[in-house]
Amino acid sequence: RKEVEQDPGPFNVPEGATVAFNCTYSNSASQSFFWYRQDCRKEPKLLMSVYSSGNEDGRFTAQLNRASQYISLLIRDSKLSDSATYLCVVSSGGSNYKLTFGKGTLLTVNP
Amino acid sequence: NAGVTQTPKFQVLKTGQSMTLQCAQDMNHEYMSWYRQDPGMGLRLIHYSVGAGITDQGEVPNGYNVSRSTTEDFPLRLLSAAPSQTSVYFCASSYVGEQFFGPGTRLTVL
Repeated sequence: RKEVEQDPGPFNVPEGATVAFNCTYSNSASQSFFWYRQDCRKEPKLLMSVYSSGNEDGRFTAQLNRASQYISLLIRDSKLSDSATYLCVVSSGGSNYKLTFGKGTLLTVNP
Repeated sequence: NAGVTQTPKFQVLKTGQSMTLQCAQDMNHEYMSWYRQDPGMGLRLIHYSVGAGITDQGEVPNGYNVSRSTTEDFPLRLLSAAPSQTSVYFCASSYVGEQFFGPGTRLTVL
């Protein structure tokens, strides 16, 4: 099983749609979880951290299920500007520094 | 703050040439790392450092060397470039948690 697995995508959705990304991780000792966003030919940037209690930032909601080793990201009312690749990121075991990245899921929001 | 800077932005090498990719950060972060990103492979960790004088190997270290003589700088050296090292290279730094990435170096090895 790969360390971090994401929906392969790509996702093509119309503006205003709700889209969900799923991710699973294999290392039960992982402590930190993130979603990063990467625009075409740019560097990855942190979108949001993911906490066990779930967290929301505007139109974005992230959830973590430690028992199932599963992370999700929900985008509501999607905008054209949400078009990007979304990367699921998990810390490596007991380290808060070393991160393992999923391969990413490409989202295209269409007018 | 400039954040994380990388030079050069683009580079073309011939097989067997050596070069150094530069990375610097001005956020006083202890942790720095180098990744390569290839189509369909995602970001893979090459080497990382938890502080000046301390480096360790990541997932794909072969063909690369690093050193960390200062907190600010973390250069990546390609010893003898191979076509398989054609990739986009990202440097990142962090304190705890969020990693801040540089803009990347696009390297082509012919």
